[in-house]
Amino acid sequence: LAKTTQPISMDSYEGQEVNITCSHNNIATNDYITWYQQFPSQGPRFIIQGYKTKVTNEVASLFIPADRKSSTLSLPRVSLSDTAVYYCLVGARTSGSARQLTFGSGTQLTVLP
Amino acid sequence: ETGVTQTPRHLVMGMTNKKSLKCEQHLGHNAMYWYKQSAKKPLELMFVYSLEERVENNSVPSRFSPECPNSSHLFLHLHTLQPEDSALYLCASSQDRGVGQPQHFGDGTRLSIL
Repeated sequence: LAKTTQPISMDSYEGQEVNITCSHNNIATNDYITWYQQFPSQGPRFIIQGYKTKVTNEVASLFIPADRKSSTLSLPRVSLSDTAVYYCLVGARTSGSARQLTFGSGTQLTVLP
Repeated sequence: ETGVTQTPRHLVMGMTNKKSLKCEQHLGHNAMYWYKQSAKKPLELMFVYSLEERVENNSVPSRFSPECPNSSHLFLHLHTLQPEDSALYLCASSQDRGVGQPQHFGDGTRLSIL
């Protein structure tokens, strides 16, 4: 099982770029890296997914080094509304036991004015 | 709008009541999930359904009973709940079962047990 490790919390200021790193040292060949965002009293929202190198969408970028043992979610020019908990999940697209479907504690990002 | 709708949004019930939570997805997905999120705690996976068949029961007490009549609907039947069952209950769906399949979540049902 690819266990993930993220910082518990991070603070940033409006307009800055924020990078949240997730470690997954025993990632498997078939595993993808998926990031979610959760606001209080709402369900998590899918942000971005990648397998290797770099992926970018209208919300964020995901950087994955060649060894794939970590990944970095990059949020450009954050605003107060980006204050949320961010989760990193690692797993294959074709299977997943209950133990793997573990969101963990995530990273609480607080954006300050 | 996530394509996953949960009702009711809020529910208050006594310990002896019987109620049901409903989840409906309009995404054509084959897998559906129930999660529990207590205050200040991570999400806990409860049940996983794939093509209407229950494939995971994550050691959930029998007072929680899931039902998946078709691929678009998922229910969670509640009876004889305890105060510690007060939480946000989230439903999600994904194209197929797999940790790497992006999940689409509803906004949950806030359940309070008196």
